[in-house]
Amino acid sequence: KNEVEQSPQNLTAQEGEFITINCSYSVGISALHWLQQHPGGGIVSLFMLSSGKKKHGRLIATINIQEKHSSLHITASHPRDSAVYICAVFPWGETSGSRLTFGEGTQLTVNP
Amino acid sequence: KAGVTQTPRYLIKTRGQQVTLSCSPISGHRSVSWYQQTPGQGLQFLFEYFSETQRNKGNFPGRFSGRQFSNSRSEMNVSTLELGDSALYLCASSLVPTGGGISTEAFFGQGTRLTVV
Repeated sequence: KNEVEQSPQNLTAQEGEFITINCSYSVGISALHWLQQHPGGGIVSLFMLSSGKKKHGRLIATINIQEKHSSLHITASHPRDSAVYICAVFPWGETSGSRLTFGEGTQLTVNP
Repeated sequence: KAGVTQTPRYLIKTRGQQVTLSCSPISGHRSVSWYQQTPGQGLQFLFEYFSETQRNKGNFPGRFSGRQFSNSRSEMNVSTLELGDSALYLCASSLVPTGGGISTEAFFGQGTRLTVV
């Protein structure tokens, strides 16, 4: 079992829909990243969370440390949101450092 | 402020050769981590450098090595290339390493796509 699990693996939505991607992890963490990867490879950090909720434009990320769960929400989805969304955690521990452990990613396709 | 710069962007090498990839972190960032992304294994941690010292190493063979210079730029080297080394290699920089109660955001480069033929 992976330390970081995402669901769903694939998601197809119509433009304007509200989207939720879930991430569950099984280890203690220092923080959690939500990342976006477009075709071509480059990864963009959307959020880093260690508690609560963050909002940036149409994107909202929440984390529940006790339940070891995080969600990424996209409101009013748009075709340009089509990408792979990856949940990644910094496992807790002095020696873990900036060593991210990744989920398998969620392929999001938003149709016009 | 310039982002994380990786060079080259694309590389084709032959089995048995060696390759060196470069990563220039965001100005002021002192921690650099390297990751390998393949369709089969996803994203996997290679190693992390801070202040010219390797702090962490992932589960990769000794053919994979790296170093960090005094200006925080980092290189990774893969010797005796195998077909399975074909992957997207990503580096990420952060101000300092996460740990000990400190969490610092990681910023990724565009990656180097290595193809071994």
